[in-house]
Amino acid sequence: AQSVAQPEDQVNVAEGNPLTVKCTYSVSGNPYLFWYVQYPNRGLQFLLKYITGDNLVKGSYGFEAEFNKSQTSFHLKKPSALVSDSALYFCAVRDEEEADKLIFGTGTRLQVFP
Amino acid sequence: DTAVSQTPKYLVTQMGNDKSIKCEQNLGHDTMYWYKQDSKKFLKIMFSYNNKELIINETVPNRFSPKSPDKAHLNLHINSLELGDSAVYFCASSDYRQGGITDTQYFGPGTRLTVL
Repeated sequence: AQSVAQPEDQVNVAEGNPLTVKCTYSVSGNPYLFWYVQYPNRGLQFLLKYITGDNLVKGSYGFEAEFNKSQTSFHLKKPSALVSDSALYFCAVRDEEEADKLIFGTGTRLQVFP
Repeated sequence: DTAVSQTPKYLVTQMGNDKSIKCEQNLGHDTMYWYKQDSKKFLKIMFSYNNKELIINETVPNRFSPKSPDKAHLNLHINSLELGDSAVYFCASSDYRQGGITDTQYFGPGTRLTVL
């Protein structure tokens, strides 16, 4: 069965510093990986996804994620954090065996301090 | 111009009542979903419909019944509400026909249900 783990409940970073939000996955077949962001009292907004091709995927708001097959990871990154990036971030995965289901991680709260 | 909309945004009700949450998407997508987000922010799929046909039904009590009158709408009806039903419910849609496994799901703003 597919699963995804976000090992950090919270990540704190100073504004202007690079940020990384970690995600690891487990699937039977090829993984299809997604990142979503949830601002307070809002729905989830799609940031980016990895399907195939380049391991570095660029998405919205300056975010990018690096797919690493050997480490089964898909960490979200941004070179310079903004206070407005503070939100809850979810990693999600699908695989070919259970293609109907998008499985979400438990979320990581990103706090960017001025 | 809202892509995925839900009504109501907040719903407060007594145990034992029956309530409905409505969802509409104007993206022309063929698949719609309901997710439940609990108090710890854990997000789990409940149902998905493709062209009005039920595709996923995840071990959800049969007090929950989705209804899809057309492919732009997926409503969630809940009978005999219980305290544990308190959560935020998100509707989502995607174009599974176009993207298949790679399709992106787009989420509504959520409905916060509080059962007293």
